[in-house]
Amino acid sequence: DADVTQTPRNRITKTGKRIMLECSQTKGHDRMYWYRQDPGLGLRLIYYSFDVKDINKGEISDGYSVSRQAQAKFSLSLESAIPNQTALYFCATSEPTGTSGYEQYFGPGTRLTVT
Amino acid sequence: QKEVEQDPGPLSVPEGAIVSLNCTYSNSAFQYFMWYRQYSRKGPELLMYTYSSGNKEDGRFTAQVDKSSKYISLFIRDSQPSDSATYLCAMSLSGSARQLTFGSGTQLTVLP
Repeated sequence: DADVTQTPRNRITKTGKRIMLECSQTKGHDRMYWYRQDPGLGLRLIYYSFDVKDINKGEISDGYSVSRQAQAKFSLSLESAIPNQTALYFCATSEPTGTSGYEQYFGPGTRLTVT
Repeated sequence: QKEVEQDPGPLSVPEGAIVSLNCTYSNSAFQYFMWYRQYSRKGPELLMYTYSSGNKEDGRFTAQVDKSSKYISLFIRDSQPSDSATYLCAMSLSGSARQLTFGSGTQLTVLP
């Protein structure tokens, strides 16, 4: 089984709808991240969480919110989806300390289309 | 101007060629440098990791960091069709945040 899983893998939704993307991990890592990937722009950080009670905004948090329900679960919500939120969304995890903390483990991604 | 610039390609080479992938960056405070590989319809995975300046070799892959020029490179020797993927450079400041700043990725195709 994959260490980092994301659901759904694909989603098409309409402008104005609320949508939640879910991420679960079995790596036992405290740190979790949400990124979006757009052609030509690479991966950009939306939110990150160091533990259940520590959530931080990333580079592009406007229009998004997150919930860390447990160490293993980190959800991303779009309260009112808009077309320019169409992108590939990735969840990632990492260890907190040492040089290994710079390695992030990514899920398979969720392709979101907002029409 | 983006903090990290990476030529998007696409780059197409014959099998066995030496491939050179590059990134430039503007923030001289970056200390940790990484290359991630992303296959189609998959999440990125760490390929190489380097701290500060210098070279690091792992099999057919060599990562170079030149902090004086704010330039990093990934070389792939004897390239194989299985190397066909998008390669993303990433870098980070020192400290506890462990936030990564990614380049936009270079799409590589190795032709058999």
